[in-house]
Amino acid sequence: AQSVTQPDIHITVSEGASLELRCNYSYGATPYLFWYVQSPGQGLQLLLKYFSGDTLVQGIKGFEAEFKRSQSSFNLRKPSVHWSDAAEYFCAALTDSWGKLQFGAGTQVVVTP
Amino acid sequence: GAVVSQHPSRVICKSGTSVKIECRSLDFQATTMFWYRQFPKQSLMLMATSNEGSKATYEQGVEKDKFLINHASLTLSTLTVTSAHPEDSSFYICSAREPLGGSTDTQYFGPGTRLTVL
Repeated sequence: AQSVTQPDIHITVSEGASLELRCNYSYGATPYLFWYVQSPGQGLQLLLKYFSGDTLVQGIKGFEAEFKRSQSSFNLRKPSVHWSDAAEYFCAALTDSWGKLQFGAGTQVVVTP
Repeated sequence: GAVVSQHPSRVICKSGTSVKIECRSLDFQATTMFWYRQFPKQSLMLMATSNEGSKATYEQGVEKDKFLINHASLTLSTLTVTSAHPEDSSFYICSAREPLGGSTDTQYFGPGTRLTVL
């Protein structure tokens, strides 16, 4: 079955340290992949997306993600986190031509001083 | 980017009553909108796909008679939770697809509606 897995439910990182959030997918073909961030009281915001081409994708807020077909992964990274990066992060995959998304379980990021 | 609004942001109702949630695309026309449900500390679960002018397509396990969806215009979709019960309490989120060329069009999400049924 098609699935999106985020192995880490919760990550704590110090401000200024690097951050990597893991995402694995299980699809037959190359999926269209997304990373969204959800802050309290706000809607999901798209950080970046991968459809094809360069496997290293640059997004907003200093985030980037790398698509690795061999590992079925699409991990999100940021070199230096800010306190404002504390939020819930979701990896998602496009599942059909109508635009339906399947989301991973999410990773809660806590940033400590 | 495009903006999607939801109203109300939170609602508390008595068991047995119906609640309507609105989802609006403010600066673009959305031929397709999606409704999600999110339980605390959990991911978003797609409930239904709403296409303007046609009946919504519900995901397996979602009661179409309980969760009525109407997409009467290109900027408005509504979700009505009929005869709400405490187990319907949840965070409901809509998204709207900006039609630029296909299924890979960016989806914009509303801020969500917190429903509490007493």
